Amino acid sequence: DVKVTQSSRYLVKRTGEKVFLECVQDMDHENMFWYRQDPGLGLRLIYFSYDVKMKEKGDIPEGYSVSREKKERFSLILESASTNQTSMYLCASSDLLVLYEQYFGPGTRLTVT
Amino acid sequence: AQSVTQLDSHVSVSEGTPVLLRCNYSSSYSPSLFWYVQHPNKGLQLLLKYTSAATLVKGINGFEAEFKKSETSFHLTKPSAHMSDAAEYFCVVSETRRDDKIIFGKGTRLHILP
Repeated sequence: DVKVTQSSRYLVKRTGEKVFLECVQDMDHENMFWYRQDPGLGLRLIYFSYDVKMKEKGDIPEGYSVSREKKERFSLILESASTNQTSMYLCASSDLLVLYEQYFGPGTRLTVT
Repeated sequence: AQSVTQLDSHVSVSEGTPVLLRCNYSSSYSPSLFWYVQHPNKGLQLLLKYTSAATLVKGINGFEAEFKKSETSFHLTKPSAHMSDAAEYFCVVSETRRDDKIIFGKGTRLHILP
């Protein structure tokens, strides 16, 4: 059974803290993605990566960075968390040639106070 | 440019009655279209996909969708709703070209009434 796991289901951080969200997939997928999900806005792509050490900005990269040192792991970093980054964060992965068939993790609900 | 519009943010149906979730898309190229489902506190799961083969696509849990190019629609249907179908559903469009991008709709929350 394919699996995408995220390090935390719930996270509470203070404004200004540096936050790391981790995602691991066991399907040997080349592509990995970070989305944020907000009510009424659907999913918005923050960053994606199509190979180790490669990254591309999505639609809303401001305030975020990413790291992909190993194929199976993709990290989302909030350099200085702000209250408007309170959201549900979803990680996904897909095969190189099937970009759109994505497998999602359960999500991390981040609250910044 | 591509876009996707889910016409209803909430849909309520009684258990055992048909389900219709509406999705319209816009695409300059040959689109691939998908429906994903998200149950409460879970990640998204692929329900079904259209990638230029048969226009009527069958998915998991009895759902199906029909690609209608003339109407630029990809509505999701199920003949008989079950309580376990209560979830949020996302219509997704992707253009099959070199720099293809995936666009998610804003979601439709399906409520099943007993």
